[in-house]
Amino acid sequence: EAAVTQSPRNKVAVTGGKVTLSCNQTNNHNNMYWYRQDTGHGLRLIHYSYGAGSTEKGDIPDGYKASRPSQENFSLILELATPSQTSVYFCASGDLTGQDTQYFGPGTRLLVL
Amino acid sequence: QQKVQQSPESLSVPEGGMASLNCTSSDRNFQYFWWYRQHSGEGPKALMSIFSDGDKKEGRFTAHLNKASLHVSLHIRDSQPSDSALYFCAASDLRNNRIFFGDGTQLVVKP
Repeated sequence: EAAVTQSPRNKVAVTGGKVTLSCNQTNNHNNMYWYRQDTGHGLRLIHYSYGAGSTEKGDIPDGYKASRPSQENFSLILELATPSQTSVYFCASGDLTGQDTQYFGPGTRLLVL
Repeated sequence: QQKVQQSPESLSVPEGGMASLNCTSSDRNFQYFWWYRQHSGEGPKALMSIFSDGDKKEGRFTAHLNKASLHVSLHIRDSQPSDSALYFCAASDLRNNRIFFGDGTQLVVKP
C-alpha cells in the first residue's frame, strides 16, 4: 500500500509567524497535492505538483506557497499565518493520469492563535 | 461552482441496514469516479473506483454509475458500526491531473 507521511502531526502557531508543513511519499508518484479540510467544506485543493521543481495553484492558493524539491517531498508554507488558516491539512500523492487513485497522509492539525 | 454534489449531508442507519449515498457531477467531461472513506482522525482512503456505466460490487459495497445523468451512488449492504465515517465522492477526467471532491456524506451506523 502506498505510503504518505506528514510532519508535524499537530502544530500551534502565532499570527504572523511562518509555518512549514512537510509531506513525504515513498511511492514514486509523480503528482502530489495539498488540501485543507474544514467542517462544511470537504477537501479544498491548495497547491499541487507534477514532479520535482513544479508547483501549481489549486482552488484556494492565497496565503500559501508550495515547494517540491524532490520526487518524494512536497512542502506547504504559510509565510504569515492567520487564524483563518486554522484547519486540518492533508497531503496526497498519485500518478500522472486523471484516472489514478490518490493516497492521503494522516493529516496535520494546525491551530493559529 | 461545486463540480461534485453529494446527498444527503448526513445519514443514520441501523446496524444491518442498507445505506445509500448519492453524488451528481456538473461536468460532462468527467469519466472517472471514486468513493473515498474517512474515519475520524485519519486521512481519506479510496474505497472503490468506477469508470464504466452500471454496477460494481466489492463485498458489501456496490457502486452504480450512470454517465448520461452524471450520477453515481454507493450502497452499503448489512451496514456495520465500523462503516461509520465521512464518505466522499470524487471525479476527474483526462484533461486534469487532479480529482474534484464533493463535500461528503457523514454516515452513522447505530448498533
